[in-house]
Amino acid sequence: SQKIEQNSEALNIQEGKTATLTCNYTNYSPAYLQWYRQDPGRGPVFLLLIRENEKEKRKERLKVTFDTTLKQSLFHITASQPADSATYLCALSMNNNAGNMLTFGGGTRLMVKP
Amino acid sequence: ETGVTQTPRHLVMGMTNKKSLKCEQHLGHNAMYWYKQSAKKPLELMFVYNFKEQTENNSVPSRFSPECPNSSHLFLHLHTLQPEDSALYLCASSHGGARTGELFFGEGSRLTVL
Repeated sequence: SQKIEQNSEALNIQEGKTATLTCNYTNYSPAYLQWYRQDPGRGPVFLLLIRENEKEKRKERLKVTFDTTLKQSLFHITASQPADSATYLCALSMNNNAGNMLTFGGGTRLMVKP
Repeated sequence: ETGVTQTPRHLVMGMTNKKSLKCEQHLGHNAMYWYKQSAKKPLELMFVYNFKEQTENNSVPSRFSPECPNSSHLFLHLHTLQPEDSALYLCASSHGGARTGELFFGEGSRLTVL
């Protein structure tokens, strides 16, 4: 069966360090992968999208890699700040004409300590 | 402010009640979605509407009934729910028919079924 796995344990890091979150998937051939941020009691907010033919994408302090051979995406936040503390969700999409059919992982909670 | 507004933000209902959740988007999108987010579980896709046509019903029980009168509005009608239906219900929108592009989520409606 198809599965998306994110580390369910919280990731605790010190301010200023680089946070690295992992998203692994099985039995998928996604056309692209997205990362979202979700704060408690709020809806997810889109951060980055990376396509199957792209290896790496950057946006300010964020970097995403996509390895379709390993079936893994890594999400990096450099120079992390306490304000980066949130839950980060990865989502995969298949090629589909019926709207944007995203399947989400369970998310990893990041805690950045000052 | 994501451009997607959900009401009510909080709802408490008994198992015999009938209530509705409302979603409105001001982004000019043509696809709208309902997701369910339960504690410690990934976001679950419930329904997809693309250009007002329902294109996905992810095996959702009939006690949940969606309605999409136009591309800007989406409703979720609730009837004879169970306590296990208590969750955060998230509405999202995106460009219709597109296979890529991010989802814009509302802040969610927190539903408690007694």
